[in-house]
Amino acid sequence: NAGVTQTPKFQVLKTGQSMTLQCAQDMNHNSMYWYRQDPGMGLRLIYYSASEGTTDKGEVPNGYNVSRLNKREFSLRLESAAPSQTSVYFCASSGAREETQYFGPGTRLLVL
Amino acid sequence: GEDVEQSLFLSVREGDSSVINCTYTDSSSTYLYWYKQEPGAGLQLLTYIFSNMDMKQDQRLTVLLNKKDKHLSLRIADTQTGDSAIYFCAETTGGFKTIFGAGTRLFVKA
Repeated sequence: NAGVTQTPKFQVLKTGQSMTLQCAQDMNHNSMYWYRQDPGMGLRLIYYSASEGTTDKGEVPNGYNVSRLNKREFSLRLESAAPSQTSVYFCASSGAREETQYFGPGTRLLVL
Repeated sequence: GEDVEQSLFLSVREGDSSVINCTYTDSSSTYLYWYKQEPGAGLQLLTYIFSNMDMKQDQRLTVLLNKKDKHLSLRIADTQTGDSAIYFCAETTGGFKTIFGAGTRLFVKA
């Protein structure tokens, strides 16, 4: 039981490049989330998926897209990376709304 | 709008108690959480409290909730060097939105 896994662990991009961050959970959770963590700002919600087949914007969705591929997987795509997207990205999952969220180890992204 | 505030740093000596404080603004919060983040890792749930409770104790951890003042605290008894980490306070106000504080970095001096 791996919990929440994320790939890659680290990535360096040039401005304008695209990439997809992958997330998978094996806890049979319905809801999944993508956050970014910046120094001194806590975690901010980018997008979430309440259940398979649905996605919704969070607090800071601009510049990102998501796909809930199936119940296990939720990916985050940067179509044209910008230096302002340099951050640590965390995926999380929960059984239902208001329930405890379980976090992956994070993806550290540097955009030059 | 909703906001969660915490002090950024706390330094204690090994063996002392640590108290990390948090204030929140949304009185409709249903769950309040404390997460721990060690260097290079994701957030790990430490404990949580329902909004209709005043206190919860779990081994060395004690959570106190003052709903009137919208104040949440986490006390760690007999703090150890392994407790050095960033501690995040968070609240769920309903739906799928969880608001996180900026985190309190706890330094434990041997």
